[in-house]
This record gives sequence, structure tokens and C-alpha cells, in this order.
Amino acid sequence: ETGVTQSPTHLIKTRGQQVTLRCSSQSGHNTVSWYQQALGQGPQFIFQYYREEENGRGNFPPRFSGLQFPNYSSELNVNALELDDSALYLCASSSGGYNNEQFFGPGTRLTVL
Amino acid sequence: AQKVTQAQTEISVVEKEDVTLDCVYETRDTTYYLFWYKQPPSGELVFLIRRNSFDEQNEISGRYSWNFQKSTSSFNFTITASQVVDSAVYFCALSPFSGNTGKLIFGQGTTLQVKP
Repeated sequence: ETGVTQSPTHLIKTRGQQVTLRCSSQSGHNTVSWYQQALGQGPQFIFQYYREEENGRGNFPPRFSGLQFPNYSSELNVNALELDDSALYLCASSSGGYNNEQFFGPGTRLTVL
Repeated sequence: AQKVTQAQTEISVVEKEDVTLDCVYETRDTTYYLFWYKQPPSGELVFLIRRNSFDEQNEISGRYSWNFQKSTSSFNFTITASQVVDSAVYFCALSPFSGNTGKLIFGQGTTLQVKP
């Protein structure tokens, strides 16, 4: 186990609703990255937070937003949910820098009906 | 463009066979890292290896070995004497230096099924 935890494990929402996913980073890590993994696809980078600031963003619309807290845990918020948002959302923590290993959590499976 | 291609969608082998998973990447960066991750049915990505762009030495770890060839932009992964527990989805990923975020660009993944 990596020490990265995510909650909830599973979530079912309907179109138009809002959702918040949570991630606790591994002890000593100050960077959290979020990825979206659609069924049968590789994970896609959403954004990264480093010391409470957004530090890079992938090709996702503004309705995907995030936060990082002083203890380096993080939230991913998605507004106005669409059917295509159904996916496994993975959180990864690292100690910062482009070459550092990212430790992944077990993911949150989001289903949008 | 920065891209990772894993052309093999699914591979099925019988236990004890050797199997190679292919990975081809594209990047304009001269400095980058390459990774392999394993994703068992539980969903959590498990780190297997990291290789930087300046180190083309092949690496062996137990039954696992990796062949990095910069000339062909490939970073292939071989499992020797496969076991049923190796059944999983395997992802190759690229971390380019540009942007310095450490974001990972993943391939589509290769599903490996090892039959007893």
C-alpha cells in the first residue's frame, strides 16, 4: 500500500449535480496530482497542486476545480456533471518535481446517470 | 506532441511463458522520465520502474526487465516465466521536463492475461 487514501470509494450522481472527491497524500509529500481514467483508457492528467497552489493543468474544462489544504490533502470538485464524467478518479502524491515517483491511491469510481 | 502508444491492447499467455509489452513514446523534450505501472483489478496503480532519458542501460528486477532504446523511442517491458499473479493492465507513461509539473502522460494500457 502507498499510504495515499481516497474517499469515497464509489459514488453515483445524476447529470447536473456537483461532486467532491477527497485525497489524503502520503506522509511527507507536498504535491498531489489528479487523474481521470475512463473505462478501458489510460489515466488523463487533470491538474496538480503543489503547496496549496495549482501547478499545472491538463485539458479539462473549468468545471473541474481543486483545492489543497495546509496538511497537503486535496479535493477535486466537479460541477455540472455530465455522463462522460463517469470514470475512475485517481489521486497521486509525490514530494514534488518532475522526476519524482508518484504514489497512487485506490481511486474513486464515479458514475453519472 | 507528447504521446505514449501501447499498440497491444490485450495479450494472453500461458503460465511460464515470457511476454514483452511494447511502449513507444513521442516528445520533443531532451529530458524526460519514463515509467511503467501495473493496475490490478483493485484499480490502484502500482509503480514498477522509472527511467530517465539519459540512462539507456537495460534493467532487470527479478522476473522483470526493461529495454530502453532512445533511437527508436521505445521502452519495452518483458516478464520472464509469467505467473497468474502477473495478470493486470500495464501502463507505460512519460513525464516530460517541460512545465516541470511531473505530470504523467499514459498510454492506453495493455491487458495481460496469464492462464494457468
